[in-house]
Amino acid sequence: GEDVEQSLFLSVREGDSSVINCTYTDSSSTYLYWYKQEPGAGLQLLTYIFSNMDMKQDQRLTVLLNKKDKHLSLRIADTQTGDSAIYFCAESRGEDYKLSFGAGTTVTVRA
Amino acid sequence: GAGVSQSPSNKVTEKGKDVELRCDPISGHTALYWYRQSLGQGLEFLIYFQGNSAPDKSGLPSDRFSAERTGGSVSTLTIQRTQQEDSAVYLCASSTRIRSEAFFGQGTRLTVV
Repeated sequence: GEDVEQSLFLSVREGDSSVINCTYTDSSSTYLYWYKQEPGAGLQLLTYIFSNMDMKQDQRLTVLLNKKDKHLSLRIADTQTGDSAIYFCAESRGEDYKLSFGAGTTVTVRA
Repeated sequence: GAGVSQSPSNKVTEKGKDVELRCDPISGHTALYWYRQSLGQGLEFLIYFQGNSAPDKSGLPSDRFSAERTGGSVSTLTIQRTQQEDSAVYLCASSTRIRSEAFFGQGTRLTVV
């Protein structure tokens, strides 16, 4: 949706780090998520961060949250060909934690 | 079931026909979402249910689209008088109110010929 924005494409060389950025508009967001969609498949939750956290690390994934700027990023270390996918940023907000998704960033890993 | 189930997985229909897409969410999940994903595009929000009520229908593209949810569980998305531009993958997701991690189904690929 329009409340969550992402760049549409990212090309990265195998072995390099990928950084996918996302901005959101609602300061009352409670949780922020990164989802991955592989070709022909549904979306799977990769990781999430609670809004009172600045950073979360999970193996090759690092999520950074700048709440002041309403900016979320996902860093993938040592990017592999299996990381080629569409990555969606999402936020949940409001009393009923309704989810809003960005349009998705298509990550292409080249050899 | 263990996950969100959608049926059919594929549907080919003739232009002008009505179609019904079904979503069976994870048991106990109160929130249910329908999204549309056209080829090579991002997620387009269609409608959101909390229980049986739909507080946000803002994404339904036209009055040919409707959705209902009964018993706080199964939802059907109905598209009347289908058009070629309705061709897309229709994704359903469900979540609990508490943490709202959404679980997605595999989607229904709709092709209107």
